[in-house]
Amino acid sequence: SAVISQKPSRDICQRGTSLTIQCQVDSQVTMMFWYRQQPGQSLTLIATANQGSEATYESGFVIDKFPISRPNLTFSTLTVSNMSPEDSSIYLCSVVYGFGYTQYFGPGTRLTVL
Amino acid sequence: GESVGLHLPTLSVQEGDNSIINCAYSNSASDYFIWYKQESGKGPQFIIDIRSNMDKRQGQRVTVLLNKTVKHLSLQIAATQPGDSAVYFCAENLGTQNSGYALNFGKGTSLLVTP
Repeated sequence: SAVISQKPSRDICQRGTSLTIQCQVDSQVTMMFWYRQQPGQSLTLIATANQGSEATYESGFVIDKFPISRPNLTFSTLTVSNMSPEDSSIYLCSVVYGFGYTQYFGPGTRLTVL
Repeated sequence: GESVGLHLPTLSVQEGDNSIINCAYSNSASDYFIWYKQESGKGPQFIIDIRSNMDKRQGQRVTVLLNKTVKHLSLQIAATQPGDSAVYFCAENLGTQNSGYALNFGKGTSLLVTP
């Protein structure tokens, strides 16, 4: 599988600010996703990042709070807007290659909101 | 609603023993299942997967068993090693056209391997 990187790896942010997380893959992928993992919890899908079009959001997640871009087949960004302490989580991107179903995950971005 | 859940939140085993991690799912339409290993400070790592048309699949030291009758999935790790200590998640793909590739994750089991 290809290498998946995320930037930043961690950050501490103030309430009310926004943070943009980048996900970069070193080869073209079919699908890209963004997940949230709250402390000690499992993973919850935020949205599917669609190339060249608006992301598809899961119930409970909205574009104004989590705007997503995917300008090409190897890169996506997730912005966490107007942050509150409840947004403190690990944010993970995942990718699917070709026509398979297996998702491969990046290392995650650990966000703490004060 | 439909969910994927794990029977045990924590599992402690001795080095060299076999480990069995269980997972229950409730959606009979689930078509594809994956096990992930997540070590502290890292993203989930793919271990093994299985399609709903199979009952068993083996990898290196790992075996996944699928019982569709009782909607149960298990991960068996042979000769457990200290490096196997991690949180293990099962995940399901709902297997419908509308769901696409979306994965529904279980709550996770923490495996602790003691010397």
